[in-house]
Amino acid sequence: KAGVTQTPRYLIKTRGQQVTLSCSPISGHRSVSWYQQTPGQGLQFLFEYFSETQRNKGNFPGRFSGRQFSNSRSEMNVSTLELGDSALYLCASSLGQGLDTIYFGEGSWLTVV
Amino acid sequence: AQSVTQLGSHVSVSEGALVLLRCNYSSSVPPYLFWYVQYPNQGLQLLLKYTSAATLVKGINGFEAEFKKSETSFHLTKPSAHMSDAAEYFCAVSDLSGGSNYKLTFGKGTLLTVNP
Repeated sequence: KAGVTQTPRYLIKTRGQQVTLSCSPISGHRSVSWYQQTPGQGLQFLFEYFSETQRNKGNFPGRFSGRQFSNSRSEMNVSTLELGDSALYLCASSLGQGLDTIYFGEGSWLTVV
Repeated sequence: AQSVTQLGSHVSVSEGALVLLRCNYSSSVPPYLFWYVQYPNQGLQLLLKYTSAATLVKGINGFEAEFKKSETSFHLTKPSAHMSDAAEYFCAVSDLSGGSNYKLTFGKGTLLTVNP
């Protein structure tokens, strides 16, 4: 069974640009969530989508957005990139109900220069 | 709101020695707790989880953790460290306010070094 797949794995962007990251969840999983990992702030929850609807949102500015498609694949977008957006962005998937386990992908490393 | 505190950002042990990584949590509701491991340049892998079925939880790779409500702790242990255990370990608590496990609040992580 394939795990959570994230693309691209590594990317470099310039301040002011925008970026789109993609995530394919484990087959059958309907919930996709996104986390930002930085050395200073650690792992922080961005948002969660379930059946194409944003169900929960963390404390990030509106420059961070996402969406989920009917096949449960998800994308997150960051507009007007800032240097501080440099981070590892982790996608995670789960069944989205009850106490099921959250499984993580290997992440997308974003460097903003 | 939930929170997690991991005592010790860096723990160093000798190969074959006991591994003890500390985690304390704060939660206004019965907590559901997790330990994840992150190897260099990789994502997070679930080691074990506590969901109130048993206070002593066994995970993968010989790790286990004991839930102690009176101490609000969920420390991770392994009797004998192996070189391959070198990684960063994260304790997390689940936010179930929405009725499902949709969000994890993580500790800052503990980097485990294993010396030969």
